[in-house]
Amino acid sequence: QKEVEQDPGPLSVPEGAIVSLNCTYSNSAFQYFMWYRQYSRKGPELLMYTYSSGNKEDGRFTAQVDKSSKYISLFIRDSQPSDSATYLCATLKAAGNKLTFGGGTRVLVKP
Amino acid sequence: DAGVTQSPTHLIKTRGQQVTLRCSPKSGHDTVSWYQQALGQGPQFIFQYYEEEERQRGNFPDRFSGHQFPNYSSELNVNALLLGDSALYLCASSSVGGKSYNEQFFGPGTRLTVL
Repeated sequence: QKEVEQDPGPLSVPEGAIVSLNCTYSNSAFQYFMWYRQYSRKGPELLMYTYSSGNKEDGRFTAQVDKSSKYISLFIRDSQPSDSATYLCATLKAAGNKLTFGGGTRVLVKP
Repeated sequence: DAGVTQSPTHLIKTRGQQVTLRCSPKSGHDTVSWYQQALGQGPQFIFQYYEEEERQRGNFPDRFSGHQFPNYSSELNVNALLLGDSALYLCASSSVGGKSYNEQFFGPGTRLTVL
């Protein structure tokens, strides 16, 4: 079983809709939770990170972490065609060096 | 301010050959991590270098080795290439800096194809 699980999609939504993405993880030692965006043939780009449980908002993006259920979410409001990409969740232990990624969810926002 | 750079962009090798990939970290960063990303998968941690030493290693065989230079740049070497080594190899840089969370900035990757 992988430490971080993520639905591969693809997830197709119309422009302007809310995109809802999620991951589950199994290791209670994970303390930092990240969401990366990766365009085709590019390196991942950090969107947001959250420490422990709670919500964090940045513009159109909201990240949520529920450590009791080991569940992390990313919401994208007012989605745009430029949001079409693969979204990767990642986790990190406290003072850790190694990012553990989910498999990524491909998102397609249709104009 | 240049971000993380990697070379080459693409590489084609045959089974059994050896390959060297290169990475220059973001300005001000002293730590380099390498990840392997197979098609349709998330990146997998190979190892991390800090102060020219391998700091942590993932579940990769000894065919994968690395080096960090005094200017913080790094190389990833893979010996005896297998077809399964075909992947996007990503370099990420960060700064130790005494913080508990150190963001890793990724380069564009080197796409390796093994025939």
